[in-house]
Amino acid sequence: GAGVSQSPSNKVTEKGKDVELRCDPISGHTALYWYRQRLGQGLEFLIYFQGNSAPDKSGLPSDRFSAERTGESVSTLTIQRTQQEDSAVYLCASSQDRDGPQHFGDGTRLSIL
Amino acid sequence: GEDVEQSLFLSVREGDSSVINCTYTDSSSTYLYWYKQEPGAGLQLLTYIFSNMDMKQDQRLTVLLNKKDKHLSLRIADTQTGDSAIYFCAENPRGGNKLTFGTGTQLKVEL
Repeated sequence: GAGVSQSPSNKVTEKGKDVELRCDPISGHTALYWYRQRLGQGLEFLIYFQGNSAPDKSGLPSDRFSAERTGESVSTLTIQRTQQEDSAVYLCASSQDRDGPQHFGDGTRLSIL
Repeated sequence: GEDVEQSLFLSVREGDSSVINCTYTDSSSTYLYWYKQEPGAGLQLLTYIFSNMDMKQDQRLTVLLNKKDKHLSLRIADTQTGDSAIYFCAENPRGGNKLTFGTGTQLKVEL
């Protein structure tokens, strides 16, 4: 597609379960980013990929959070043993290269019961 | 300060100009961005300005950058009801990849 695609758009799960969130960046974009947006707040950086490597994962809040990228394309953000404070919208962005403007997907709204 | 600061709300009448202000934190940021977020949607890149520019105009949008004061503004001419949304400014501290966002300004356009 023409834009960044994220799935699922909504995810409701029970506390303690693991979740996987998927991001398909714009074709040809080498840089990929994950951010988290809590209700009524701005975005918090989580992790940055250049190609399949993650030179900056400084924003991951705990070791329950991990992410990978394969084929210099799709990325998956995994949250293990979810907690209620993980409830947020998780946004993915991509850019053509490390200096280009970031284009965002519509996000995955994660609700932990 | 350590946070990118924006006022929380702005209300304007349809047809008037809107000016949304932002104070950013890092003088070494190389790009300053404006994003628009409509309810339930992701962020739409509106415009951005390179740090060596003072002004950028794109149709109804005008961005002004004052590097000395680390102040960024977005002017929307002839504001329409479809412009109602939350507007986020963002910077890339130390010219890096990750963006630091303000908390957003909610623009309400009244008839």
